[in-house]
Amino acid sequence: DVKVTQSSRYLVKRTGEKVFLECVQDMDHENMFWYRQDPGLGLRLIYFSYDVKMKEKGDIPEGYSVSREKKERFSLILESASTNQTSMYLCASSKGSYNSPLHFGNGTRLTVT
Amino acid sequence: AQSVTQPDIHITVSEGASLELRCNYSYGATPYLFWYVQSPGQGLQLLLKYFSGDTLVQGIKGFEAEFKRSQSSFNLRKPSVHWSDAAEYFCAVGPNTGFQKLVFGTGTRLLVSP
Repeated sequence: DVKVTQSSRYLVKRTGEKVFLECVQDMDHENMFWYRQDPGLGLRLIYFSYDVKMKEKGDIPEGYSVSREKKERFSLILESASTNQTSMYLCASSKGSYNSPLHFGNGTRLTVT
Repeated sequence: AQSVTQPDIHITVSEGASLELRCNYSYGATPYLFWYVQSPGQGLQLLLKYFSGDTLVQGIKGFEAEFKRSQSSFNLRKPSVHWSDAAEYFCAVGPNTGFQKLVFGTGTRLLVSP
């Protein structure tokens, strides 16, 4: 089974802090994604990566950056956390072919106070 | 632009009753369509997907969905709901060529009453 592991289940940070959310997948998938999940808004794509050191903006990239130095790891960075970034963050991965399903981690619930 | 509409925010179904969750999409070409389920405290799990061919697709846990091009719909069904089906369900649409970048609906929360 594909395993996508997010390093923290719950995280509480202060406004202005730099925050790192880590995601690791163990199935040698080419594609990795960061989504944000909010009630009534569903999942919104923040950033994605289709190869090491490659990244593309999703629908809501403002206030976020990403890093993919190794194939199995995709990090989401909040340069200066704000209260409106309080949310559930979901990492996903998939194979490089276009019809491959996404495999999700269990999510990180981030609270910014 | 592509979009997905799940018109029902919450649905309550009695255990043993049938279920239908609605999904309508807007997409310029033939889409790839997916249903995912999210149990409390978990990530999303793929239930089923439609790419081409038979418009009625079978998934895991006894779920099925029917693609209706004329109605731009991809409704999820189950003939008999179990209490363990209580979860949030997401419909998603993606391109049938090129890079897979999915657009998700806002989800439907299913409650199962005894």
